[in-house]
Amino acid sequence: DVKVTQSSRYLVKRTGEKVFLECVQDMDHENMFWYRQDPGLGLRLIYFSYDVKMKEKGDIPEGYSVSREKKERFSLILESASTNQTSMYLCASSLLAGRRYEQYFGPGTRLTVT
Amino acid sequence: ILNVEQSPQSLHVQEGDSTNFTCSFPSSNFYALHWYRWETAKSPEALFVMTLNGDEKKKGRISATLNTKEGYSYLYIKGSQPEDSATYLCASDTGRRALTFGSGTRLQVQP
Repeated sequence: DVKVTQSSRYLVKRTGEKVFLECVQDMDHENMFWYRQDPGLGLRLIYFSYDVKMKEKGDIPEGYSVSREKKERFSLILESASTNQTSMYLCASSLLAGRRYEQYFGPGTRLTVT
Repeated sequence: ILNVEQSPQSLHVQEGDSTNFTCSFPSSNFYALHWYRWETAKSPEALFVMTLNGDEKKKGRISATLNTKEGYSYLYIKGSQPEDSATYLCASDTGRRALTFGSGTRLQVQP
């Protein structure tokens, strides 16, 4: 079974704090993704990575950065958390893109910034 | 940019009812159409990945059809059960790398 794990289910941080969200997958997938889910807006792509040290911006990258130093781990970084980054964050992974492979999701991290 | 539309936004049905919902997506640059089920407190899980016009896929009581020329897909649930309660997401795949998701249809099945 593919497993995608995220470091926390719930997180509360203060405005201005640096926040790290970690994601680990155990199936040797090339692609990894970070999404945020807000009511009525669907899953919006923040960043994705198709290889170690490679990254591409998604639809809403502002205020975020990512790191992929190892194939199995993809980190999302909020350099200075703001209240409008309060959201559900989902990590996903898949085999090579362009091959119609499904994505496997982690359980999500509900982040609250106060 | 959200250009995948799902309707309705939410749906309440009684146990045993059959139901269906719609996903509209851009027909240009089509590569595949994905359906996911997202139950509360769980991870989204893939139901179907559909690629061919006229394709129909089935998993138990759930089935889906695809029309790539006009850019829509229907998801059907026959004889809904309370355990079918979830948000159903569709996503457009243009083969680039990332998917574009719709906002989902939230289904509640009352016992």
